[in-house]
Amino acid sequence: DQQVKQNSPSLSVQEGRISILNCDYTNSMFDYFLWYKKYPAEGPTFLISISSIKDKNEDGRFTVFLNKSAKHLSLHIVPSQPGDSAVYFCAAMEGGSEKLVFGKGTKLTVNP
Amino acid sequence: NAGVTQTPKFRVLKTGQSMTLLCAQDMNHEYMYWYRQDPGMGLRLIHYSVGEGTTAKGEVPDGYNVSRLKKQNFLLGLESAAPSQTSVYFCASNRRGRDEQFFGPGTRLTVL
Repeated sequence: DQQVKQNSPSLSVQEGRISILNCDYTNSMFDYFLWYKKYPAEGPTFLISISSIKDKNEDGRFTVFLNKSAKHLSLHIVPSQPGDSAVYFCAAMEGGSEKLVFGKGTKLTVNP
Repeated sequence: NAGVTQTPKFRVLKTGQSMTLLCAQDMNHEYMYWYRQDPGMGLRLIHYSVGEGTTAKGEVPDGYNVSRLKKQNFLLGLESAAPSQTSVYFCASNRRGRDEQFFGPGTRLTVL
């Protein structure tokens, strides 16, 4: 049973446009959410996080939105750049737990 | 700082052989984790440690053992490798559970 779902395996956008990556979760005990970016042959790197007490968190070109009632979060990248081409993983954590649960990832391609 | 390093980078084993993967971090982090990533899958937690001398099971612990004898090192052992353990293994560490995890570059293991 997948608790964190990224239903789009891939996404392609033009440079300069907005990229929107989506993530759904089923576990209502999740209270902390993170996005990681992964380039081929490298380990994932942390991008941005959000606590369940917030509905939005911004860091430069990256914004994460959380809709708790819908159990949905999204990552917006504006403007998208070719260097953003990577696999993006959504991850979630329960309160009191040290364990991250990852989605399967979405491969983003930003075309010049 | 080297961050999180993993040894070896690549390995090919025959079914039934044993091996140990080494993870080292120089950030004085308390928490360390071992994940595996399979094609089309997200990262799945194998085992983790919340401090020197401690270990705990993650989502997919069967067939693996771990040890954390020193704070900076986290070892992942396969006693009798199986083809189902063919995967890319990532080690990660952080200061505490809610902090971002820093990942190593991965070890690509093939079991024939």
